[in-house]
Amino acid sequence: EDQVTQSPEALRLQEGESSSLNCSYTVSGLRGLFWYRQDPGKGPEFLFTLYSAGEEKEKERLKATLTKKESFLHITAPKPEDSATYLCAVFLPGYALNFGKGTSLLVTP
Amino acid sequence: DSGVTQTPKHLITATGQRVTLRCSPRSGDLSVYWYQQSLDQGLQFLIQYYNGEERAKGNILERFSAQQFPDLHSELNLSSLELGDSALYFCASSPRIPAGAQEQFFGPGTRLTVL
Repeated sequence: EDQVTQSPEALRLQEGESSSLNCSYTVSGLRGLFWYRQDPGKGPEFLFTLYSAGEEKEKERLKATLTKKESFLHITAPKPEDSATYLCAVFLPGYALNFGKGTSLLVTP
Repeated sequence: DSGVTQTPKHLITATGQRVTLRCSPRSGDLSVYWYQQSLDQGLQFLIQYYNGEERAKGNILERFSAQQFPDLHSELNLSSLELGDSALYFCASSPRIPAGAQEQFFGPGTRLTVL
C-alpha cells in the first residue's frame, strides 16, 4: 500500500513561473513529514520538516505547507538552479522514512 | 556537504560477489540508516542502527547485513550479488534521540554496479 504519493511525476517551468508540488499521505497519526531535494547522482538534501496540520516553513523561494492529508511545496519565481527532484517522506515509527517517488522539476531560462 | 561520508563512491563487481560499503555519520550523531535507491523502486529504507544496536529493519534482503562499530561508523555488507542489486546506496545519520521523527542527513552515496 502506497503511503506517500507525489504529483506530478515531472514538471517543467519557465524561470519565474511559480507552481506547487503535491505530496499526499495516508499514514494515521503523522509523526513528521519531510521534504528533500536531490540532484542527479547525489544524496538527498534536507529542506523542511512539518509536524502538524497548518504548519508552514519557508526557505528562499520554497514554502512547505501541511494539511491532514497532504503537503505542498510551493516554488515562487523559480530559477534554473532550482531544477532537481523533490522528495517527500513520512516518518513511520519502528521503520524510518518512507519516501514518495519524487517530482522531477526542470526550470528553463 | 551534510557531514556524512561514504566510501567508495563507485563500485563495479560481478554477480555472486560480496562487497562492503562504509559510512561515517555526522559528528555527534548516534543513529545511522541505510537506504537503497533504484530507478524503479525509488528510495527504500533498509536498516537502522543506534549506538551500535539494530533499531529498525525495512526492506533488507537476507543476503544483506550491516553493523555499527564503537566509533559509530557503519558498514553494509552485500553478498551473493545479483544484477538487480545495482543501485545507489545511501547512508544517513540523525542526532542522539533513538526514535521519533527527526531529520536525517544523507551522504553522497555509493553507486554499485553488478555485471
